[in-house]
Amino acid sequence: QKEVEQDPGPLSVPEGAIVSLNCTYSNSAFQYFMWYRQYSRKGPELLMYTYSSGNKEDGRFTAQVDKSSKYISLFIRDSQPSDSATYLCAMNDYKLSFGAGTTVTVRA
Amino acid sequence: DGGITQSPKYLFRKEGQNVTLSCEQNLNHDAMYWYRQDPGQGLRLIYYSQIVNDFQKGDIAEGYSVSREKKESFPLTVTSAQKNPTAFYLCASSIEVSSNTEAFFGQGTRLTVV
Repeated sequence: QKEVEQDPGPLSVPEGAIVSLNCTYSNSAFQYFMWYRQYSRKGPELLMYTYSSGNKEDGRFTAQVDKSSKYISLFIRDSQPSDSATYLCAMNDYKLSFGAGTTVTVRA
Repeated sequence: DGGITQSPKYLFRKEGQNVTLSCEQNLNHDAMYWYRQDPGQGLRLIYYSQIVNDFQKGDIAEGYSVSREKKESFPLTVTSAQKNPTAFYLCASSIEVSSNTEAFFGQGTRLTVV
């Protein structure tokens, strides 16, 4: 069993829809949670990070962590075609562990 | 601009050759990492370094070697012992190796064996 599980998708939504992404993990020692966005043939860029259970909002993005269920989510509101990318969750326990990434396409 | 620079962007290697991928950062970060990315498999850790002249193996270190002679530089050599080297290689750095820091990535090097 992988430490971090992420549905690879692909996920296709119309412009303006809410995109919902999630990851589950098995290592209860993970304390720090991140979401990265990766455009094709580019390096991942950090979108959000959080280290506590609950919600964290940044513009159209909301990161949610539920440590009791070992489950994290990323929501993208009012999605735009420019949000089309692969989204990677990552968790830190002195070394980063990544999910496989979910490919998202936002249709104009 | 502060950031991480990887070069070259594309690299072609013949069977049996060693090649070296460059990674330089000007973020003054202590920790640096090398990841390999294959389709559908996410990022896998090859090597990481917490400080100059020190580095540790990650999950898939076989067939790779690194050095850390300067804080800002962490080159990766893909040796002929790596049986399946075609992949996208990503270098990253963080302030330190700890449980509560995030990593920042370069733009990657795509290596193809010809």
